[in-house]
Amino acid sequence: GDSVTQMEGPVTLSEEAFLTINCTYTATGYPSLFWYVQYPGEGLQLLLKATKADDKGSNKGFEATYRKETTSFHLEKGSVQVSDSAVYFCALTTNSGNTPLVFGKGTRLSVIA
Amino acid sequence: DVKVTQSSRYLVKRTGEKVFLECVQDMDHENMFWYRQDPGLGLRLIYFSYDVKMKEKGDIPEGYSVSREKKERFSLILESASTNQTSMYLCASRWTSGRVGYNEQFFGPGTRLTVL
Repeated sequence: GDSVTQMEGPVTLSEEAFLTINCTYTATGYPSLFWYVQYPGEGLQLLLKATKADDKGSNKGFEATYRKETTSFHLEKGSVQVSDSAVYFCALTTNSGNTPLVFGKGTRLSVIA
Repeated sequence: DVKVTQSSRYLVKRTGEKVFLECVQDMDHENMFWYRQDPGLGLRLIYFSYDVKMKEKGDIPEGYSVSREKKERFSLILESASTNQTSMYLCASRWTSGRVGYNEQFFGPGTRLTVL
């Protein structure tokens, strides 16, 4: 079945450091890919998405590029802030029907001043 | 904006009580989902529903049931709450759409349930 693997956390960075959170996937079809963010005590919010190969999703300074050849969708940010401290989830769907998204286990990011 | 609301942010119940967690969405989504989230275990799907009165078991349905009498509302029921059901519960909804780019899930703020 479809699956998502993302790097284990926690990740601790100093403010203004460069962030990469790796995400790779296996899918039987041609998936749409997502990054969700969960701030402390909150639900998940969609951060960015990409629906076809070489698409780059971006939002709030975060970016991720859909790489079909390496089945990856790594999340990057050039300069993290304390307010970026959260749990980040990579997810996919291979259809727009009635099945749930497939989520990775999440990566906790802590940014220290 | 799509809004998914959950009836309580925090809930404290006693062992053996019947517990209802309510979720309402305002975007006419066909699909609704209930997850629980525990440290180190990620999101685990309990049940989902793709239409009114329809339900499908997820990965961990034991100890839970669901009800979907109206399209906008999806309820999670703990028939007899136990301490191992202390967790964060997240509701989500999604269209059944043929259009790529309209297939993400929208989440509610979560209910943190403590069973004493």
